Parts: sequence; structure tokens; C-alpha cells
Amino acid sequence: KNQVEQSPQSLIILEGKNCTLQCNYTVSPFSNLRWYKQDTGRGPVSLTIMTFSENTKSNGRYTATLDADTKQSSLHITASQLSDSASYICVVSEEGNMLTFGGGTRLMVKP
Amino acid sequence: GAVVSQHPSRVICKSGTSVKIECRSLDFQATTMFWYRQFPKQSLMLMATSNEGSKATYEQGVEKDKFLINHASLTLSTLTVTSAHPEDSSFYICSAAPSRTYNSPLHFGNGTRLTVT
Repeated sequence: KNQVEQSPQSLIILEGKNCTLQCNYTVSPFSNLRWYKQDTGRGPVSLTIMTFSENTKSNGRYTATLDADTKQSSLHITASQLSDSASYICVVSEEGNMLTFGGGTRLMVKP
Repeated sequence: GAVVSQHPSRVICKSGTSVKIECRSLDFQATTMFWYRQFPKQSLMLMATSNEGSKATYEQGVEKDKFLINHASLTLSTLTVTSAHPEDSSFYICSAAPSRTYNSPLHFGNGTRLTVT
């Protein structure tokens, strides 16, 4: 069964600090991995999408990494801001566009 | 950028009534749209995949007669919750992709908060 596990489930950091969120998956055959940010009560917004051959991709202060051999991805947030408080969801797609969602990491940035 | 519009954003209805939620792709044609359900503090759960001009594909455990999906055009899919009950109260989100290619971006609507009293 395809699975996407995210850790930690929740995280509290101080404004200005960096943090790293983890995503491990067992999806096969792998097609791509996406990170989304979801503000409370809103739909998810795409941060990055990476295919098998991509190791890292950045979007502003967000940097995602992918190790397709170990089936692990991370999302690094630099110099966190209060507006970064949200849920971050890792979504892994297998060939044929079947998506498996991770449980998300709830990040709270405090002043 | 691509936009997916979902309407209404919030709806309160009485038990036993039906509610229709619309999902529109505003600046692209979506051959495939997805419907999700999200409970508080949980991730999205895929309910069904909606393909334009054909029947939707429902995930295991999702009642197709209760959650009616219609994808009549390349820019509109609707989800109708029939004979709603309080346990149907949830956050419903749609998403749409411009094409079926494996790395096609997936755009989400802003969700519909359904409360059944």
C-alpha cells in the first residue's frame, strides 16, 4: 500500500528561525513529489514539484530536497515569518497521476 | 496563474437536504478534477476523480449515490451531497489539472465549509 509519512506532526518555532519538515514515502512507481502550504480554512497552494531526476528545488524561502533512492524529501523554511504558520502537505504521485497525501505538518511561528 | 474557484465557501443546511458545491477552472480547461474531504487537523482525503464527459471514479468507502459528481464541461465540476446528515459536516475541497501529464500542476479551490444541522 502506498504511504506518505510526514514528521513532525506539529512544530512551533520562533519568528526568524529556520526549520525542516520531513516526508518519507513508499509510493511506487514514483512520478513526482509536491509540497503544498495550506492556510487554515483555505485550499492548498503549491510550493514545489519535483520529479525523479531533481534533487532540490527552491521557491523563495522554501527549499525542497528529494532523495529518490531513500524515498525521502524535506522542506526547509529559512528565516521563518509569522505568515508561514500553516499546514504543510507532502503529496506523492505515482505514474498515472494517482496521488497519495501525507498527513501534514502543522507549523506555528511565534513572535 | 491558474485559478480554481469553488463556490460556496460556506454553507449551512438542515439535515435531509441536498447541497451542491461548484468547482470551476477559470483560466484553463480541466479534463480531470478531484474532490477531497478534510476533517479538522487532518490531511485531505480523496473522495473521487471526476473526468469530463464520463462517470466519476470514487475511492473505496465513498458512497457514489450520496456524493453525486457531475463534470459536464471542461471548466466545471459539481459535487452534490444528497440527504445530508450532521456527520457529512466537513471541509470539501476540489482541485483541477490542466492536463493528464504526470507533472501537470494541480490547482486547488479554497474549499467549502459544510455544516449540517
